[in-house]
Amino acid sequence: QKEVEQDPGPLSVPEGAIVSLNCTYSNSAFQYFMWYRQYSRKGPELLMYTYSSGNKEDGRFTAQVDKSSKYISLFIRDSQPSDSATYLCAMGNTGANSKLTFGKGITLSVRP
Amino acid sequence: NAGVTQTPKFRILKIGQSMTLQCTQDMNHNYMYWYRQDPGMGLKLIYYSVGAGITDKGEVPNGYNVSRSTTEDFPLRLELAAPSQTSVYFCASINAGGETQYFGPGTRLLVL
Repeated sequence: QKEVEQDPGPLSVPEGAIVSLNCTYSNSAFQYFMWYRQYSRKGPELLMYTYSSGNKEDGRFTAQVDKSSKYISLFIRDSQPSDSATYLCAMGNTGANSKLTFGKGITLSVRP
Repeated sequence: NAGVTQTPKFRILKIGQSMTLQCTQDMNHNYMYWYRQDPGMGLKLIYYSVGAGITDKGEVPNGYNVSRSTTEDFPLRLELAAPSQTSVYFCASINAGGETQYFGPGTRLLVL
C-alpha cells in the first residue's frame, strides 16, 4: 500500500459545482496535512495547511482531516473556471517544513 | 521581493553531461528543498537543507548533489546526466513554521 493515495482523475465539473478532492494515507505518524494547487507549467502553491482533525475553512475552500480514518479532503464551493488546475495533497511528520510525502495529484477542470 | 527564482527555465542535455540548476530565495527562509515532478506523479524530494551549511538526502538523491553556502542559494548539481533524469525540477523555500511556502517556477530538463 502506498503511503499516500489520491483519487485518480481527471475531474470535470460545471461552474458553480461543489468539488470534493480526497486523499488517504497509511502512515499514522503523519500529523501535518497540506493541499497545493498547481496551474499548468507553474510551481505548486500552498492552499491549505492543517495539523489537527476537523475542518479548516478559507473562503471557498475547506480542508477536512480525519486522522482516525486516515483520510483528508479538500472541498471547493461555487467552483470557478479559475479553479481549473492540478491539486496535490501532501503530508508530513513534524510540519510543513519536514520531508513531505505527496499524492500524485488530480487535475480539475471547471467548465463555464 | 522576488520569492524563489530558478534558472534555467529549460535545458536539453546529452547523456553524460553535467549541469547546475540554480535556486535563489530572498525571504531569508532557512528551509529549502529540491523536488522533481514526472508526468502524472506527485513531487519527489531530492535534497533539502535546514540552513546554510546543512543538507540532507530526500527520497531520490542518486545522481544529484547540493550545496548550501548561503541562506539565499541552494544549487542542484547533476553529474553524468541520464535519460531517467528527464523531469521538471522545483525548488521551494519554507519558513520555520511551515505556513509560508514558495515554489519556484521550475526547470524543465530533457536528457537525450
